[in-house]
This record gives sequence, structure tokens and C-alpha cells, in this order.
Amino acid sequence: NAGVTQTPKFRILKIGQSMTLQCAQDMNHNYMYWYRQDPGMGLKLIYYSVGAGITDKGEVPNGYNVSRSTTEDFPLRLELAAPSQTSVYFCASSYGDTYSYEQYFGPGTRLTVT
Amino acid sequence: GDSVTQMEGPVTLSEEAFLTINCTYTATGYPSLFWYVQYPGEGLQLLLKATKADDKGSNKGFEATYRKETTSFHLEKGSVQVSDSAVYFCARRGGDYKLSFGAGTTVTVRA
Repeated sequence: NAGVTQTPKFRILKIGQSMTLQCAQDMNHNYMYWYRQDPGMGLKLIYYSVGAGITDKGEVPNGYNVSRSTTEDFPLRLELAAPSQTSVYFCASSYGDTYSYEQYFGPGTRLTVT
Repeated sequence: GDSVTQMEGPVTLSEEAFLTINCTYTATGYPSLFWYVQYPGEGLQLLLKATKADDKGSNKGFEATYRKETTSFHLEKGSVQVSDSAVYFCARRGGDYKLSFGAGTTVTVRA
């Protein structure tokens, strides 16, 4: 049971480039989330999904896109990377509503845009 | 909106010292409250939680009590170890299933 996996671990992008951050979970969780962690700012929710085919915006969705074609995978797409997107990105999943169910986090992707 | 405020760090302690990290939350409704811990190079892990007023969450020697009257959920540990060095995040469950996180407190425990 690998839990939540994320690739790559590190990436450097030039301004204007695009990339996809991969996230997968093998716990059959319905809910999945993408957060970004900026120094001294805590985590901000970018996008989330309550099941395959269903996604919605979080607090800071601009500049990102997601898709959820399967229960296991929840990739995050960055189009036209900007320096403001330099951050650590965490994917998380939970079986159900956070009221009752813990969120499980991946190890993170550290992205630098220069 | 929903928010969480936690004490700023960094906090540096000696082994066996008492640790407390303050956390307060906005009092919209009756949120569930959480402490997550992030060890170096890893993602966040749930440390403990409380879902209603006066509940006490506990795990690995850490405790936090849901105080509705002071809208607080302070984290405490009586005797810290070097292995407790990490970043600690307070969080509340807002509308639906979304979590709002505090800024995180970096704790370093010296032998």
C-alpha cells in the first residue's frame, strides 16, 4: 500500500513553460485535493475532487487545471508557468468528508519557476 | 471566512522540555479541529483531532482540547524528544470537507 504518491519530487521550469504534476493514491479514496505551501503561509487549496469526473476550484485556482478521469489519479496542470507559482505542491486524499475522515498527504513536489 | 491563527515560530527547546503551540480559530459554526505534523522532507500527517467542544485529542504524547469559549485548540506535550522536531499545523474543517490551515510552527528540539 503506497498511499499517496507524487511525481516529480523537484522541478525547475522557465517562465511560460507548462507541466503536469502527477498524483496517485491506492486507497480507493473518493476525495482528492491539491494544495500549495508557501513559506510562512500554511497550505492553500488549489483544486479538489469528490470523485471521478468531478472537480471544483479551491481558494487559489488561477493558473492551474485539473482532471479526474479515474479514482486513483488527480493530475495538476500548470499552463504558462509564472514565478508566483514557485511553491511546494501537496496532493492529498480522503475516504470521505474531512469531518470523519483523515486526509492523507503525498511527499510533495518542489517547483521553482525562473 | 474560516481561518486559523497559530503562534509564530520558530520554537527551539531542549529535550524533556514542555511544548505548547497556541492555535485559535474563527467561530463560524462548530468546526472539527486538527493538528497535522510535517517531518523534514515528508508530507503532512494527522497528529490528532477533536470534533466537538471539550473533546480532547491525543496521540504520541501530544494533547489538544477543543475550547469553544476561547475558540482555541492549543497543542501541548509534556516532555519533547529530538524526534518531535517538525512543523506543526493547526487546521479547521470549514464548509463541506475543506480544511483551512494555519501558517505552521517550526519546532526544533535539541539534545
